[in-house]
Amino acid sequence: NAGVTQTPKFQVLKTGQSMTLQCAQDMNHEYMSWYRQDPGMGLRLIHYSVGAGITDQGEVPNGYNVSRSTTEDFPLRLLSAAPSQTSVYFCASSYSPGQGRNEQFFGPGTRLTVL
Amino acid sequence: AQSVSQHNHHVILSEAASLELGCNYSYGGTVNLFWYVQYPGQHLQLLLKYFSGDPLVKGIKGFEAEFIKSKFSFNLRKPSVQWSDTAEYFCAVIPYGNNRLAFGKGNQVVVIP
Repeated sequence: NAGVTQTPKFQVLKTGQSMTLQCAQDMNHEYMSWYRQDPGMGLRLIHYSVGAGITDQGEVPNGYNVSRSTTEDFPLRLLSAAPSQTSVYFCASSYSPGQGRNEQFFGPGTRLTVL
Repeated sequence: AQSVSQHNHHVILSEAASLELGCNYSYGGTVNLFWYVQYPGQHLQLLLKYFSGDPLVKGIKGFEAEFIKSKFSFNLRKPSVQWSDTAEYFCAVIPYGNNRLAFGKGNQVVVIP
């Protein structure tokens, strides 16, 4: 199993550009989520999904969109990048919470810089 | 919403010293608890987890954590650290049946050889 994969590893954008961060998992996990990591802030939840076709907002959703058309994929879209979105982005997946097996597995991260 | 508190954001230790990192959470119901570690330049890896049962949980690399329900705490310990334990450590909490994992702000631990 590849686990959770993310592309790209690094990205530089100009203010106002759009892009999609890709995330895929091959563990048949129902639950997937996106976090951003900033120094001294820990990890903050952006959006999450409990299954294909179902998404919900996390702690810091503004400026980001998600969709979940398949169990495997959970892309994160930045519609108009801003310098405040400079961060490291992590995707994670797990079995559904409440089943007692909801350890989250993390991808390697995408380091995004917005100029 | 639940919150997770980690104190002493920066910790500097010598090799062989003991390490204890505090974690407190605010949720009053049943919770699942985790400690994750992030080595320099790497992604988060699970150190240990608590779902139920024995409140003293043993994880990888000699780490252990104790869940004290009355104190809403899940402190991480290692009796003797090594240089390779230099990393950032995150406590995380998810209420049972909830979908949202909440992280603390992390402890940056530096072990001096």
